[in-house]
Amino acid sequence: GAGVSQSPSNKVTEKGKDVELRCDPISGHTALYWYRQSLGQGLEFLIYFQGNSAPDKSGLPSDRFSAERTGGSVSTLTIQRTQQEDSAVYLCASTVAGGLETQYFGPGTRLLVL
Amino acid sequence: QKEVEQDPGPLSVPEGAIVSLNCTYSNSAFQYFMWYRQYSRKGPELLMYTYSSGNKEDGRFTAQVDKSSKYISLFIRDSQPSDSATYLCAMEANAGNMLTFGGGTRLMVKP
Repeated sequence: GAGVSQSPSNKVTEKGKDVELRCDPISGHTALYWYRQSLGQGLEFLIYFQGNSAPDKSGLPSDRFSAERTGGSVSTLTIQRTQQEDSAVYLCASTVAGGLETQYFGPGTRLLVL
Repeated sequence: QKEVEQDPGPLSVPEGAIVSLNCTYSNSAFQYFMWYRQYSRKGPELLMYTYSSGNKEDGRFTAQVDKSSKYISLFIRDSQPSDSATYLCAMEANAGNMLTFGGGTRLMVKP
């Protein structure tokens, strides 16, 4: 079956603009994670959705970042008033139930803020 | 200081060599340890995971955890050019929490 998909694959934007990044998890996976990977850095946790529970937003770096998950499936990560330091690869992962199961990662969205 | 430290490399080895990749960590609560492989412009994929201390072998790969030293390793035997990638260690205290990743080590296996 299809894996985790993300769109767009690349996004170039100007400082101060808003961007939306999309994640389509594997069908049936109830848990969804967003991470950020800066050049040469490991993955930085951003936000975690599990079923209908309130999301764990503890990793969001500022109030310019928000995410939602509609219908327990597709998720959108929104960055408002983008800054140059937001340039990174944004990765989405999903698992069956949010336990120790394998997190399946999408290919990521490469965001460049000029 | 980062919670999980990993030498960024790059580590360059000839084909057939044994590769040793390592991470150190500071949080003694970590119990679950994973190694991910990430090819260029791809998302990470899980290679191995272990719980608590000990060794785990899967084909050419062996994962080793020493909780007393807060040190984990991934060994790759008979390395192949196709093993060239970035290897990320990750760990968590309780199943279902978010993972804490190392910065990744870039490995290059030359034919």
